[in-house]
Amino acid sequence: KAGVTQTPRYLIKTRGQQVTLSCSPISGHRSVSWYQQTPGQGLQFLFEYFSETQRNKGNFPGRFSGRQFSNSRSEMNVSTLELGDSALYLCASSTLTGEDTQYFGPGTRLTVL
Amino acid sequence: AQSVTQLDSQVPVFEEAPVELRCNYSSSVSVYLFWYVQYPNQGLQLLLKYLSGSTLVKGINGFEAEFNKSQTSFHLRKPSVHISDTAEYFCAVSETGGGNKLTFGTGTQLKVEL
Repeated sequence: KAGVTQTPRYLIKTRGQQVTLSCSPISGHRSVSWYQQTPGQGLQFLFEYFSETQRNKGNFPGRFSGRQFSNSRSEMNVSTLELGDSALYLCASSTLTGEDTQYFGPGTRLTVL
Repeated sequence: AQSVTQLDSQVPVFEEAPVELRCNYSSSVSVYLFWYVQYPNQGLQLLLKYLSGSTLVKGINGFEAEFNKSQTSFHLRKPSVHISDTAEYFCAVSETGGGNKLTFGTGTQLKVEL
């Protein structure tokens, strides 16, 4: 079974631009969660989507948004990029509930200049 | 809301020695507990999880953890480490019935030396 894939793996943007990151979950997984990882703040939950609906949301500004498609693939978008948005963005997929193992992708490394 | 504390940011240990990575959590509701490992330039991999039942949980790569409700701890142990165990380890919690939202600790860098 193929794992969680994230594209692109690396991205460089400048302040003020917007960016879209993509995540393809493991086949059969309907839950996709996004996390931001930075040296200063560590791993922080962004949001979770299940069956195209946002089920949970972390404490991030409205510039961070996401969506999930009918095939469970998910995208997250960051508008008006700031230097502090530089981070590793991780996507995780699982089947249904919090009891199920979440499988993480390799991440997208975003650098904002 | 939940919080997770990993008191040790770095733990150096010699190969074949035992190791314990400490994790304490705080929550007003029931939680599930997890340990993840992250190798350089990779995502997170689940080592083990505690959902309910036996408080001693065995995971992959010879790791185990013990859930202690009275001390709100979930320490990770391995009796004999290998060079390949060098990585960053994260303790995490999620609220039971609260979906897949994980709250992570700040991580412990385990460095295994010869």
